[in-house]
Amino acid sequence: DAGITQSPRYKITETGRQVTLMCHQTWSHSYMFWYRQDLGHGLRLIYYSAAADITDKGEVPDGYVVSRSKTENFPLTLESATRSQTSVYFCASLTLLGYEQYFGPGTRLTVT
Amino acid sequence: GDSVTQMEGPVTLSEEAFLTINCTYTATGYPSLFWYVQYPGEGLQLLLKATKADDKGSNKGFEATYRKETTSFHLEKGSVQVSDSAVYFCALTQRTGGFKTIFGAGTRLFVKA
Repeated sequence: DAGITQSPRYKITETGRQVTLMCHQTWSHSYMFWYRQDLGHGLRLIYYSAAADITDKGEVPDGYVVSRSKTENFPLTLESATRSQTSVYFCASLTLLGYEQYFGPGTRLTVT
Repeated sequence: GDSVTQMEGPVTLSEEAFLTINCTYTATGYPSLFWYVQYPGEGLQLLLKATKADDKGSNKGFEATYRKETTSFHLEKGSVQVSDSAVYFCALTQRTGGFKTIFGAGTRLFVKA
């Protein structure tokens, strides 16, 4: 299927565990992004990537790690999950043709 | 710094009513402007966009005009439907070496039958 997919869609984990959220896009867009969405805070950028092996911090990067060894994949890892990382996480890619972003369906993460 | 301000919600309308959601921005340079829509349980999806001053974006009966003089990009629809109930986000994107996107806080719309 063409588009951008995220897995898992739902995840419950315990404080202190490592969690990886997966993101895959089929368009070969250079730019990809990770956001978290929380009530009262809107969308906040965690990390972004301009190309394979090029990543940079966004607004709220603490506690997260990203990698991008292939253009189509952009996993997000929570090294030691905390309750404050309970959120809905969205991955997105950007087309250079019109600068619009395409979002995945989101991962709802609960840290207990 | 750059910013996007949109009207607070929720906005509650009856079916077939006229919709306006205000959005203003501050930015250096010449950003592209977007409206994204988020239906329950889904990611954001592009509703419409405009890339330069006086451009009008339109889609599914929604319209917005890029007004540089008032730094605004208000979303309008002449006759809303129950299926338009969603959260609407105004956003700007600038190419500054890389790309920077600023999202508004979102406006929740409820449409009653």
